[in-house]
Amino acid sequence: DGGITQSPKYLFRKEGQNVTLSCEQNLNHDAMYWYRQDPGQGLRLIYYSQIVNDFQKGDIAEGYSVSREKKESFPLTVTSAQKNPTAFYLCASRRRISGANVLTFGAGSRLTVL
Amino acid sequence: AQKVTQAQTEISVVEKEDVTLDCVYETRDTTYYLFWYKQPPSGELVFLIRRNSFDEQNEISGRYSWNFQKSTSSFNFTITASQVVDSAVYFCALSEAPGGQGGSEKLVFGKGTKLTVNP
Repeated sequence: DGGITQSPKYLFRKEGQNVTLSCEQNLNHDAMYWYRQDPGQGLRLIYYSQIVNDFQKGDIAEGYSVSREKKESFPLTVTSAQKNPTAFYLCASRRRISGANVLTFGAGSRLTVL
Repeated sequence: AQKVTQAQTEISVVEKEDVTLDCVYETRDTTYYLFWYKQPPSGELVFLIRRNSFDEQNEISGRYSWNFQKSTSSFNFTITASQVVDSAVYFCALSEAPGGQGGSEKLVFGKGTKLTVNP
């Protein structure tokens, strides 16, 4: 079955460490997105990529970095510069249905800073 | 700028009650899309429906129905005869049309409404 796989599901990090969250899709979608979810905050866009080797900052990109070397993969690195990294991270890819963009989401990765 | 407001933070109902989740949006675009997503406790967001700005017809899918009113910039979601499995966080979202000036075609989400259906 096609879908989006995020790993790890749970991750613990010490302050000052960089961590990388994996996102892989086998849907052949061109565009991919990373969102951050905090309680009571909804989802906020971190980075997005519309095509391989290209990506753009979202609304809260500071302290994060991404790469898009392959269509299937869009890893997110949470750097030590991110002051409040504890959150739930959701990766998504985009398809078009009758002209509208619809996002398909992964199951998420929960990052906790100790 | 685009904005989505879900004023109801949490709603609790008893099984078989009807419940309406409110969504109000703001946009300067004349063409846009509205969405509802469901997030069960497992965490993955599940797409429920999308509606474009030119189509104000209400839609019904089983126990779910959606009321889109451009005049009030609202896109409300009603669950009829709620069930325990409906317990989740529901998000309303807005995006510009493909090819819009923003370029990202990103979804802007509301903060979500947590629905609890008690047996």
